[in-house]
Amino acid sequence: QSVLTQPPSASATPGQRVIISCSGSSSNIGSKYVTWYQQSPGTAPKVLIYKNDQRPSGVPDRFSGSKSGTSASLAISGLRSEDEADYYCTSWDISLSGRLFGGGTKLTVL
Amino acid sequence: EAQLVESGGGLVKPGESLRLSCAASGFPFSTYTMNWVRQAPGKGLEWISSITSRSDLIYYTDSLRGRFTVSRDNAKNSLFLQLNSLRVEDTAVYYCARETADERFDLWGQGTLVTVSS
Repeated sequence: QSVLTQPPSASATPGQRVIISCSGSSSNIGSKYVTWYQQSPGTAPKVLIYKNDQRPSGVPDRFSGSKSGTSASLAISGLRSEDEADYYCTSWDISLSGRLFGGGTKLTVL
Repeated sequence: EAQLVESGGGLVKPGESLRLSCAASGFPFSTYTMNWVRQAPGKGLEWISSITSRSDLIYYTDSLRGRFTVSRDNAKNSLFLQLNSLRVEDTAVYYCARETADERFDLWGQGTLVTVSS
C-alpha cells in the first residue's frame, strides 16, 4: 500500500476541470518536492509537474500543480479526450530514504 | 537525441536471477543520478532504486533491499540492476529513468519485461 494516497479514479466531461489529490506526510510531501507524471497505456510515464508547481516546456498550461502542507494536487482544466490516462504523484521520503509513488489515479474523460 | 534502452528481461523461474541493463546515449550519462522503477501488470509505479552519478550514494526501497543490486559503469554509459531470488510478484516491466537536479525523472526507457513463473 502506497504511503502517498491518491484516489484510484476520477472522471469528468470534456472542457471540465478535474483535480487529483495526493496525500502524504511530513516526511515526504511536507518537506520534499512533489512531481506528477502522466502515463498512457503501453508507454513510459511523462513529467507533467515538477517542484510542486512547475511545468516542463511542452506541457500545456491546462495542467497545474500545487502543494499545501502534506498534500498536493494536480489540476487539469479544459479537459480533453487525450488527457485520459493514469496520473501518479511522487515525493522523496526523508525517513525512508527512498522515493514514494502514489497508487495512481485513472482519469476517464466521459 | 537523449535515449535510454533497457534490456535483459525475460522469463525466469522463481529463485532464479537476472541482470537488467540500461544503455544511455545522447547525453552526459556520468553526470546524472539514475533510477529503476517497475510496474507490475495492471498496477502502479514502484520505485526500486537510485544511484548517484559517481555511485557514492545508493538507495533502495525497503522491500527489495538485499535481493536487488544497482550499479553503473560510466565509461560504458550503462546502468544495471541485478535481480536475485526472483519471486512471482517481481513480474513487471522494469524502467530505467534519468533524474534531474530538481528530482524529476525526465527521460525514461521503453521498459523491459521480467516474467517470473514456474
